[in-house]
Amino acid sequence: QSALTQPASVSGSPGQSITISCTGTSSDVGNYDYVSWYQQHPGKAPQLMIYDVTKRPSGVSNRFSASKSGNTASLTISGLQAEDEGDYYCSSYTGSSTWVFGGGTKLTVL
Amino acid sequence: EVQLVQSGAEVKKPGESLSISCKGSGYSFSNYWIGWVRQMPGKGLEWMGIIYPGDSDTSYSPSFEGQVTISADKSIGTAYLQWSSLKASDTAMYYCARPRIPVAGDAFDIWGQGTRVTVSS
Repeated sequence: QSALTQPASVSGSPGQSITISCTGTSSDVGNYDYVSWYQQHPGKAPQLMIYDVTKRPSGVSNRFSASKSGNTASLTISGLQAEDEGDYYCSSYTGSSTWVFGGGTKLTVL
Repeated sequence: EVQLVQSGAEVKKPGESLSISCKGSGYSFSNYWIGWVRQMPGKGLEWMGIIYPGDSDTSYSPSFEGQVTISADKSIGTAYLQWSSLKASDTAMYYCARPRIPVAGDAFDIWGQGTRVTVSS
């Protein structure tokens, strides 16, 4: 059960859009529509931003959107704001009550 | 308010045992899975395992099977993560988390505040 693959870092200027990829396999991302994305600020617990591949929990800005194609999921943040800076993790259900996280991506707002 | 409250930070020596806790409130504790996640210093999130308090059904990541024990006491709404013999490499922040809905595979939207474990001689 290997970690999902994410870029180590991405950056963008305020107002721009960025996309973070999350690549798994046909046993996880490719097999289940249970991909989620979490935001983590330093010293804080993770916060759910996207669930079931594309859905946003109540209270999460509509600047956050996501999709999946085959074994790769993607998170897009549009209209970047300083408060978006932090670490982002994807996660996928892998069956039999097990999950896997991605390695994490550090987003820097320039 | 639905929340998970974890026990406080621990400082232990290698070889010692430890149990940290995660108390749920504001919902039916027995009906929702509780997962545990490790975050080593400066590193990413790692899924450790999960328990269904209703019947104590437990599943572990292969990386953590045999290294830790996950349990729950539904009568007091508390889940536990236990070590029988700590190693320095167990030094990390540990989070418990609950899924949005009581469905296998659902994402985790309620997180504890984390318990920092430091293992040092």
